[in-house]
Amino acid sequence: EIVLTQSPATLSLSPGERATLSCRASQNINNYVAWYQQKPGQAPRLVIYDASNRAAGVPARFSGSGSGIDFTLTISSLEPEDFAVYYCQESRQTFGQGTTLEIK
Amino acid sequence: QVQLQESGPGLVKPSETVSLTCTVSGASINTYYWSWIRQPPGKGLEWIGYIYHTGRTGYNPSLESRVTISVDTSKNQFSLRLSSVTAADTAMYFCARELGVTMFFDSWGQGTLVTVSS
Repeated sequence: EIVLTQSPATLSLSPGERATLSCRASQNINNYVAWYQQKPGQAPRLVIYDASNRAAGVPARFSGSGSGIDFTLTISSLEPEDFAVYYCQESRQTFGQGTTLEIK
Repeated sequence: QVQLQESGPGLVKPSETVSLTCTVSGASINTYYWSWIRQPPGKGLEWIGYIYHTGRTGYNPSLESRVTISVDTSKNQFSLRLSSVTAADTAMYFCARELGVTMFFDSWGQGTLVTVSS
């Protein structure tokens, strides 16, 4: 069973800052990683798939990188609407525990 | 643009079976894989299972003994049955469309809250 560990659990930043969220897999998962954004009371929204591809309509300030075990979601310059919980996911059945991106 | 809409009872008694339906519009259910995912209040996401239009299914091992997912291609719907529910099954239940070899979820329903309580 693959386990995804996200860090940090909570990230406190200000608008305009750069956010770096990490997802580490317990074994090699190639590029089989997606990232989701979830705001309170809403369904998750796909942000990144196949580790580095932006989903339709996602702003260019979002980027994903990594392969194998370590993956990163980067938001280059935070906008107020980016503060949310972010989950990584591997091959359908495994989600990370989430990183809460909160306003500092 | 694909849209998914969950429906089902909001309140279920312990030990009973809950049935939820996901109605898909804007896409044929014959073309993709479809999943159920849940989220207990204040917690993370848990994948429950998937179905293909052929009836092929796959379930989370932790829930497999209590879960059945079925499809009705004539109605463009798929359904979830979860038996012997307990308070631990209280959650928001989402249906989602799965894409790609890497099996990510590109479209989600808004979710339906299931509360297990006597």
